[in-house]
Amino acid sequence: QVQLVQSGAEVKKPGASVKVSCETSGYTFTGYYIFWVRQAPGQGLEWMGWINPNSGGTNYAQKFQGRVTMTRDTSISTAYMELSRLRSEDTALYYCARGDWGSGWLDPWGQGTLVTVSS
Amino acid sequence: QSALTQPASVSGSPGQSITISCTGTISDVGSYNLVSWYQQHPGKAPKLMIYGGTKRPSGVSNRFSGSKSGNTASLTISGLQIEDEADYYCFSYGGSSTSWVFGGGTKLTVL
Repeated sequence: QVQLVQSGAEVKKPGASVKVSCETSGYTFTGYYIFWVRQAPGQGLEWMGWINPNSGGTNYAQKFQGRVTMTRDTSISTAYMELSRLRSEDTALYYCARGDWGSGWLDPWGQGTLVTVSS
Repeated sequence: QSALTQPASVSGSPGQSITISCTGTISDVGSYNLVSWYQQHPGKAPKLMIYGGTKRPSGVSNRFSGSKSGNTASLTISGLQIEDEADYYCFSYGGSSTSWVFGGGTKLTVL
């Protein structure tokens, strides 16, 4: 079955960077996009961007441009999201999800990675 | 990028039907059939319930249905069950400048 398994929780200091991985299995990695979505504690979902694993092409939400980098390693079917210059407001659960750009669906989702930014 | 507008909360009794709206603009919901809906239970990852505005993935109950009128998409849940109590989010493509955007989320309470 299709699975997305994310890396474990992280605690970072303000100004640092964090890199979250999303290991996929059960489907052709290069056949679907990977979307990244975050959810601050008690808040709603926020789209951060996507990567096309086939081409490496990316598209980032305006809010994160300049601070986020999405990459992939096709040899191990894994996508990565790195967020730099962290601040306390970046404390959130970060999700990856397999996406079909043409139909607009995200399915399934990873289990989420909690990133805590605290001095 | 402005979030799509959803009611903060809706409620219904078991067996009833409810509808959650997702209002955007001519630039997003109104221009594309790319609205999807997600159900999220506390402490869990979101689950796809509807995509392409009206399509239901295999395995999702036919009590869930989607529709669109103008700039507003809607999710209807018929025959409410206790396990439907969750947060629901809409998600839409917003064109090349906005790209993708979520609604603010709606908390469904089944009384």
